[in-house]
Amino acid sequence: GAVVSQHPSRVICKSGTSVKIECRSLDFQATTMFWYRQFPKQSLMLMATSNEGSKATYEQGVEKDKFLINHASLTLSTLTVASAHPEDSSFYICSARARTDTTNEKLFFGSGTQLSVL
Amino acid sequence: LAKTTQPISMDSYEGQEVNITCSHNNIATNDYITWYQQFPSQGPRFIIQGYKTKVTNEVASLFIPADRKSSTLSLPRVSLSDTAVYYCLFSLTGGYNKLIFGAGTRLAVHP
Repeated sequence: GAVVSQHPSRVICKSGTSVKIECRSLDFQATTMFWYRQFPKQSLMLMATSNEGSKATYEQGVEKDKFLINHASLTLSTLTVASAHPEDSSFYICSARARTDTTNEKLFFGSGTQLSVL
Repeated sequence: LAKTTQPISMDSYEGQEVNITCSHNNIATNDYITWYQQFPSQGPRFIIQGYKTKVTNEVASLFIPADRKSSTLSLPRVSLSDTAVYYCLFSLTGGYNKLIFGAGTRLAVHP
């Protein structure tokens, strides 16, 4: 299946630091990528939809000035957590949709980034 | 968007067959049903996808009744490594906008 690479896998930073997370589609082109966050023992919460060459679409309650998304190419989307604070500590996961057969598209997920803000 | 309902948790033993049912009463005509598996600190992994009747792959089977208001993921002869959270979701043909995760089912497989 399609491979989505997410980097870094873990970040520990001081409060006030900005953190960038990269999401790459390795063997396919992804016009759309999705960013999720997940708290311990909870489900994934969709944060935003990242469209190549255009502005991201944010879900209600997600601060676009806090979570900056850039989808500059068909294989790369980045999420920057601006001036991170302890409450931003979470597991962040990206995904990209790909058509691996003729019937339907599927979502493929990165391995996630554990962000810990001290 | 269609809402899904799954059991919060399930327990099983190695070698048993596990069936996880998901209810989706207001599924749309164009929606496919997709199941994902997630291990702790990892991204979800695609398991199986179907539209109606039965789909089988090397990992699992998916049973969807004619009314499509529910679906059942069947894991044959589970092992300890199948301990994970399982999510059922919807995806539209030809380019859905977003995928919303429900609470998922936390499966624990015991020796």
